[in-house]
Amino acid sequence: QSVLTQPPSASGTPGQRVTISCSGSSSNIGSNPVNWYQQLPGSAPKLLIYSTNQRPSGVPDRFSGSKSGTSASLAISGLQSEDEADYYCAAWDDSLNGSGVFGTGTKVTVL
Amino acid sequence: QVQLQESGPGLVKPSQTLSLTCSVSGGSITSDSYYWSWIRQPAGKGLEWIGRMYVTGDSHYNPSLKSRVTISIDTSKNQFSLKLGSVTAADTAVYYCARDAPQQDTLTQNYYYYNMDVWGQGTTVTVSS
Repeated sequence: QSVLTQPPSASGTPGQRVTISCSGSSSNIGSNPVNWYQQLPGSAPKLLIYSTNQRPSGVPDRFSGSKSGTSASLAISGLQSEDEADYYCAAWDDSLNGSGVFGTGTKVTVL
Repeated sequence: QVQLQESGPGLVKPSQTLSLTCSVSGGSITSDSYYWSWIRQPAGKGLEWIGRMYVTGDSHYNPSLKSRVTISIDTSKNQFSLKLGSVTAADTAVYYCARDAPQQDTLTQNYYYYNMDVWGQGTTVTVSS
């Protein structure tokens, strides 16, 4: 079961800014960096953001991440049709000898 | 460029053991400092981290699955494996293998893991009699 909570859906028109929230606790987001994954339909997830706000090579700079306390956010500015996908936050959880946890996932729809 | 490929039975009977292998190509499983991980995703649902292992044997497992899971590495074959025992229909999912790479935390400057930067394409496993 997921311990990081995300809204099930978000949407926007092309060019708009969309923000996805990820709520956790002191043992995960509050203590560790946050990553974000993008999963296009029928594909494996792809690392989109690491270390809370860093983009791997090749990820457009319209994707950005941030964190405050026990919550994190992913922002997509200048939304494009190819951004329609599922997005998952992730963080290490220091409780119970350590374990990886994912968010519940957010489906982004480009209207 | 490292690539991962999952393989194994697509159908497993209830109460039996699910066994999958992830073959690593384009690089050695012992090179650098990576953990090798398994993640699964039931149809239409979210991602669930199963566990990971380092080449030295250091491992971490999802507490909810720990009693049934074993991850192992075979350096001679450049592959790692997942065994999940006493399966039920709830274990039906797409299973992904992934490489977990160290990254530097920009806030603390410490290196940390849980960054799955290379993924296999996934393999569907159905638990049914």
